[in-house]
Amino acid sequence: NAGVTQTPKFQVLKTGQSMTLQCAQDMNHNSMYWYRQDPGMGLRLIYYSASEGTTDKGEVPNGYNVSRLNKREFSLRLESAAPSQTSVYFCASRFPGTNQPQHFGDGTRLSIL
Amino acid sequence: AQRVTQPEKLLSVFKGAPVELKCNYSYSGSPELFWYVQYSRQRLQLLLRHISRESIKGFTADLNKGETSFHLKKPFAQEEDSAMYYCALSTFTGANNLFFGTGTRLTVIP
Repeated sequence: NAGVTQTPKFQVLKTGQSMTLQCAQDMNHNSMYWYRQDPGMGLRLIYYSASEGTTDKGEVPNGYNVSRLNKREFSLRLESAAPSQTSVYFCASRFPGTNQPQHFGDGTRLSIL
Repeated sequence: AQRVTQPEKLLSVFKGAPVELKCNYSYSGSPELFWYVQYSRQRLQLLLRHISRESIKGFTADLNKGETSFHLKKPFAQEEDSAMYYCALSTFTGANNLFFGTGTRLTVIP
């Protein structure tokens, strides 16, 4: 039981390149989330998926797209990377219902030059 | 709108001293509150949730609705407590989305 698995762990891109961050969970969770973590700003929600087949914008969605491929997988795509998207990206998942915590992956450290 | 405030970016205490990490929130409804911890270069882990009223690794947190606070406390800090701590609020909107504070980096001095 690996929990939430993110790939890759590290990536360096040039401005304008595209990239897809992968996330998979094996806990049969319905909801999945993508966050970015920046110094002094905590974690901010980029997109979320309440259930398979649905996705919605979070607090900072500009410059990103997502795909909920199936119940297990939720990918985040940068179509044209910008230096402002340099960050650590975390994927999380959660059971439905109240007071259920989110479970996080190890993160992807992304640098855009 | 919801908001989570962690007023201290950095907090240093000596080993064995009490520690309190502050968290205040604003939300018009009845929130769910959590504390997450992130050890150096590791994933975020759930530390506490207010509904459980439990003690994990010696930490406790009490929800004070009057003061809209959810401070994290430990009577005797240990070196292994050094980490980044995030307070988070869930508002039953979206997919029970979490709103995070900006975090407090706790350093326990030997």
